Amino acid sequence: DAKTTQPPSMDCAEGRAANLPCNHSTISGNEYVYWYRQIHSQGPQYIIHGLKNNETNEMASLIITEDRKSSTLILPHATLRDTAVYYCIVRVEAGTYKYIFGTGTRLKVLA
Amino acid sequence: DAMVIQNPRYQVTQFGKPVTLSCSQTLNHNVMYWYQQKSSQAPKLLFHYYDKDFNNEADTPDNFQSRRPNTSFCFLDIRSPGLGDAAMYLCATSKEIGASGATDTQYFGPGTRLTVL
Repeated sequence: DAKTTQPPSMDCAEGRAANLPCNHSTISGNEYVYWYRQIHSQGPQYIIHGLKNNETNEMASLIITEDRKSSTLILPHATLRDTAVYYCIVRVEAGTYKYIFGTGTRLKVLA
Repeated sequence: DAMVIQNPRYQVTQFGKPVTLSCSQTLNHNVMYWYQQKSSQAPKLLFHYYDKDFNNEADTPDNFQSRRPNTSFCFLDIRSPGLGDAAMYLCATSKEIGASGATDTQYFGPGTRLTVL
């Protein structure tokens, strides 16, 4: 019963921006959106999170629509090392701990 | 660098032979989590500790137990591993639960891949 929907796979040319969409149409007002990525055989790596406003850090940007029903993770200049499975997670409800991982998007960055 | 450490990275055990996986953290976080991740699947939460308080997920089999002797360490015990327990086991930590987006963010270790023969 994942609360997010992501495309199963995407390709991106090296050096170009990778835009990874996530649908979370049932999100409630206090739920945060988190993004993680998992490179093969490693633990998930935290990328970024947001509530309402767009966010940027050294790894990526997160764009959340005004109605908060969807978001996009942007890797501005994708490299081969960005090849990974990207998970968009909505925390079940504010005040609880639980992440529910969806199936994620397998991003392949092509040389 | 503050981090989440899991040992060993690869563990092989025999069917039915108890096995313990360990996790340590230098982040001084209150919460430690254990996840199971089977091949080509997303991680699934087994249980977590908030400080010394243990919280089991409803669908976690009794075969899986955990111990947290102090803030820094947490162990996953599998009492009688079956072939279906072969998976990557992930430890994660967060500073808090239910406080804010930042303090609730979970940080994962590299995982221990368990093989059951």
